[in-house]
Amino acid sequence: DTAVSQTPKYLVTQMGNDKSIKCEQNLGHDTMYWYKQDSKKFLKIMFSYNNKELIINETVPNRFSPKSPDKAHLNLHINSLELGDSAVYFCASSQDLAGGSYEQYFGPGTRLTVT
Amino acid sequence: AQSVTQLDSHVSVSEGTPVLLRCNYSSSYSPSLFWYVQHPNKGLQLLLKYTSAATLVKGINGFEAEFKKSETSFHLTKPSAHMSDAAEYFCVVSPSTSGTYKYIFGTGTRLKVLA
Repeated sequence: DTAVSQTPKYLVTQMGNDKSIKCEQNLGHDTMYWYKQDSKKFLKIMFSYNNKELIINETVPNRFSPKSPDKAHLNLHINSLELGDSAVYFCASSQDLAGGSYEQYFGPGTRLTVT
Repeated sequence: AQSVTQLDSHVSVSEGTPVLLRCNYSSSYSPSLFWYVQHPNKGLQLLLKYTSAATLVKGINGFEAEFKKSETSFHLTKPSAHMSDAAEYFCVVSPSTSGTYKYIFGTGTRLKVLA
């Protein structure tokens, strides 16, 4: 059973389009995250939700909007895609908020290419 | 503020020789520390974690790490490298105080294993 799953795995689209990435976890965790990994492998936190409540909202363009319909799902919608949005996006979950000893479980990633 | 520094961006070893990936952290409190591995085109996988129990932590695939408070280090080691160990490795700090919800990621160390 996949613990954290993301769809799609690959996403190729043109500038200006709107796209969504979906994430689901079956671990019963309370907290979910979106990370962006650039071409140099740097991981940057974008958003975090705890029990459907937005906890972390980093300096991310307003074109990015997360939505958590329930504890097990965290989706990422991106409007008006730009070339600089090309990256690998990872979803992750943890039992509870950081500040404890909880490890994160990562999805396989979604490679977004904007042309 | 918490921070984590991975001292080497690239490490090359020969198959069968020891591996040492270095990580230093800065924290005002007793942190939880993690090592993750990312194989090419995959998500991050937890190797091991330190949570203020034993200072020598054993992980998967023969990896271990030692927490040294006096040196603020959490170096990752393996006695004998295998070709399958070639990957990107991330050292991560989870702040141990409430109210800070971000995991702090190092910039990664790419391990290359030579035949």
